[in-house]
Amino acid sequence: LAKTTQPISMDSYEGQEVNITCSHNNIATNDYITWYQQFPSQGPRFIIQGYKTKVTNEVASLFIPADRKSSTLSLPRVSLSDTAVYYCLVGERPSGTYKYIFGTGTRLKVLA
Amino acid sequence: DTEVTQTPKHLVMGMTNKKSLKCEQHMGHRAMYWYKQKAKKPPELMFVYSYEKLSINESVPSRFSPECPNSSLLNLHLHALQPEDSALYLCASSQDGQVREQYFGPGTRLTVT
Repeated sequence: LAKTTQPISMDSYEGQEVNITCSHNNIATNDYITWYQQFPSQGPRFIIQGYKTKVTNEVASLFIPADRKSSTLSLPRVSLSDTAVYYCLVGERPSGTYKYIFGTGTRLKVLA
Repeated sequence: DTEVTQTPKHLVMGMTNKKSLKCEQHMGHRAMYWYKQKAKKPPELMFVYSYEKLSINESVPSRFSPECPNSSLLNLHLHALQPEDSALYLCASSQDGQVREQYFGPGTRLTVT
């Protein structure tokens, strides 16, 4: 079963743009890709979702290539409060059975 | 109200105890989820209820028993747990049973002794 993989960690400085990728080779045909932010001892918080191409909201952008086997979350001008773990979440059908799969998570540390 | 509440916040139980975790939402969502999260790992889906019916059971051991009394409430009954079941248990809800915008509660930190 292919894992939905992300870089383990990233460091960035305040004010920079951060791009976090997720590889999801087994994404189900009709499923959306969603991204979540999680702070310690809290539940994940929804950031953005998309199906293909580019989606933008007030906090982030999501880029999805045509084959949909990966996605990139873009956080513009990060601040210290963006230090958190970021997860992608996709639906997959690795052997015919539908499964919700969280990515391995990326620990983002924003430095002053 | 966009909040999912979970009680208790912390729970310590012995391996012979029976306890329950509770989750509540008042957003009119028709899908509710239980996840288990170990330290420094992503959440793992356990159960999904859609329109108050169990739609997904991710091969969870029978010592975990979910219950959905109505569209706003979700329980997880625990019995004869093992120390390796210690984790953060997260409840979530969404408008329907798709993998889209899920609202998560703060979780219950469970320790099995």
